[in-house]
Amino acid sequence: NAGVTQTPKFQVLKTGQSMTLQCAQDMNHNSMYWYRQDPGMGLRLIYYSASEGTTDKGEVPNGYNVSRLNKREFSLRLESAAPSQTSVYFCASSEDRLKYGYTFGSGTRLTVV
Amino acid sequence: QQPVQSPQAVILREGEDAVINCSSSKALYSVHWYRQKHGEAPVFLMILLKGGEQKGHEKISASFNEKKQQSSLYLTASQLSYSGTYFCGTGNTGGFKTIFGAGTRLFVKA
Repeated sequence: NAGVTQTPKFQVLKTGQSMTLQCAQDMNHNSMYWYRQDPGMGLRLIYYSASEGTTDKGEVPNGYNVSRLNKREFSLRLESAAPSQTSVYFCASSEDRLKYGYTFGSGTRLTVV
Repeated sequence: QQPVQSPQAVILREGEDAVINCSSSKALYSVHWYRQKHGEAPVFLMILLKGGEQKGHEKISASFNEKKQQSSLYLTASQLSYSGTYFCGTGNTGGFKTIFGAGTRLFVKA
């Protein structure tokens, strides 16, 4: 039972480069989320997908795009990376967030130089 | 809109109790609690909904005070394994956006 799988685990980008963070869940959850975590700031919601085919902005969407490829996969794209996007990115999914909360992936540590 | 957690950090000896508070400036519909160990993903502990006051089991439980717009997490007879950062996440409606606090770092020593 893999849960939520994120790739890559670590990445270093140069300013201006683009990349896509991948996330897949095998729990048949409807909703999926992308959060970023910065020291002293907790988790901040970037984008979420309530169900396959829908996506919506969270608290800090600027500089990011997402794609809900199918029910299992939810990717996060940085089109032109900036040092301010250095962070740890967590993908999460939920069967019923008001009963079972979120299941998080192990995270992607991204550094933009 | 970020909920405020207090204290920011706490150090306990094994067997001691702790209370972590989470306060919101807006009316709350739901409060999640998570624990994150260093370098790992947050792990869900419990969720409380509007209308429900207390939840959990003997060692880890939480309360939800709608009037005060706050929730408290109670850690009883702490164990070394309780060490980590505790986050509360709040929802003001039944919607999909959960806003997390900055976290409370808990360290339990032998």
